[in-house]
Amino acid sequence: DTGVSQDPRHKITKRGQNVTFRCDPISEHNRLYWYRQTLGQGPEFLTYFQNEAQLEKSRLLSDRFSAERPKGSFSTLEIQRTEQGDSAMYLCASSAGGGFSGLGTGELFFGEGSRLTVL
Amino acid sequence: AQKITQTQPGMFVQEKEAVTLDCTYDTSDPSYGLFWYKQPSSGEMIFLIYQGSYDQQNATEGRYSLNFQKARKSANLVISASQLGDSAMYFCAMRGLAVGGSNYKLTFGKGTLLTVNP
Repeated sequence: DTGVSQDPRHKITKRGQNVTFRCDPISEHNRLYWYRQTLGQGPEFLTYFQNEAQLEKSRLLSDRFSAERPKGSFSTLEIQRTEQGDSAMYLCASSAGGGFSGLGTGELFFGEGSRLTVL
Repeated sequence: AQKITQTQPGMFVQEKEAVTLDCTYDTSDPSYGLFWYKQPSSGEMIFLIYQGSYDQQNATEGRYSLNFQKARKSANLVISASQLGDSAMYFCAMRGLAVGGSNYKLTFGKGTLLTVNP
């Protein structure tokens, strides 16, 4: 399977614990995104990497959240001192860029997500 | 800033019938792209169809077509000949296409839950 993979798919943790999610993008994609989706809402942008550089972080990403993409391949999203409000689906996506005529649509390819439940 | 509005929290359709899912948008970008994604209960977001603001014709992909009305800022998804497997959440999304700025990220609406009845 050459799609975006995320691990773990489900994580249940107690408030105050740290959790880490991993995302392996499609190998030829240089862009990687993290989104968060809560119940009944659409995905909300968290952060964006182009290769290994983190180019944007949403205001949603508090100082308890940190994301890395060493060597421009896989990415990790760590949440420290989890709170119940962190309970959500964390979606990773990758793309090859594009968005200009003749260069493809630049659509995002999503993984199946990592569902976090904080008790 | 970009905003996507999906006013239908839920829709029902009979199998084999067509259904239209509404999407309106707001943006200050002179050129932009509009996307529809499907999210089954498994959670994965599946790309369905894309429409560029500069495209002269409405996009089509198999049973999916996009009714793009630029002046009304609407980009409705039409699913023809609905199947039971079409039951899922559907999200409309957009991003700017201008060079520079945040033209790499998608802004999503809240989604519409489509239920196809046998």
